[in-house]
Amino acid sequence: DIVMTQSPDSLAVSLGERATINCKSSQNLLSSADNRNYLSWHQQKPGQPPKLLIYWASTRESGVPDRFSGSGSGTHFTLTISSLQAEDVAFYYCHQHYSAPITFGGGTKVEIK
Amino acid sequence: QVQLVESGGGVVLPGGSLRLSCEASGFSNYAAHWVRQAPGKGLEWVALMSSDRSEERYAASVKGRLSISRDNSKNTVYLDLNSLRSDDTAVYFCARGKSPTSYIIDHWGHGMLVTVSS
Repeated sequence: DIVMTQSPDSLAVSLGERATINCKSSQNLLSSADNRNYLSWHQQKPGQPPKLLIYWASTRESGVPDRFSGSGSGTHFTLTISSLQAEDVAFYYCHQHYSAPITFGGGTKVEIK
Repeated sequence: QVQLVESGGGVVLPGGSLRLSCEASGFSNYAAHWVRQAPGKGLEWVALMSSDRSEERYAASVKGRLSISRDNSKNTVYLDLNSLRSDDTAVYFCARGKSPTSYIIDHWGHGMLVTVSS
């Protein structure tokens, strides 16, 4: 199984500042067949279901604000919130969609400093 | 707006069974996933089924005890939970794949709490 490791477990960022979350996979998520990285990011606010933010490592889902961006390739990936807003307080999970069993990272809690 | 409407959660005795259902307009054209979240914990993918039922996969922790199925005429997906244990206690989310076979989850239901307790 592909193991997804996120860091940090939590971070506190001032409003308007940048937040960066890292995700490492135990196997390469870059497909040689289509040159895509099979990595998504989801946001989960308290008491709500998760919401897809990013897929193919860097493609923003429709309706997601452009302050959210994804980068990385192979085994190392990053989710960046360029200017943290109050409504961004949530848990963030990376998710590999390269192979079954599908696996998630342990989550990163983002708070306001 | 895609809405996944779930039903069937509740309290069940250890060793018992439960069936969860999830209905969504047009669901027959998309892969279906179930993901669970134990209280205060992260997300754990449980099962998937492609739109045409040709692919069916499970997490090792539930294989042989949980079973995913679908009735495309009703746009409904099911998760049968059997031989339930206390560590199966979780909110169970129904989710949709981005395409008939996609492992990318793009829409989530609100989740149903399943509590396994005597």
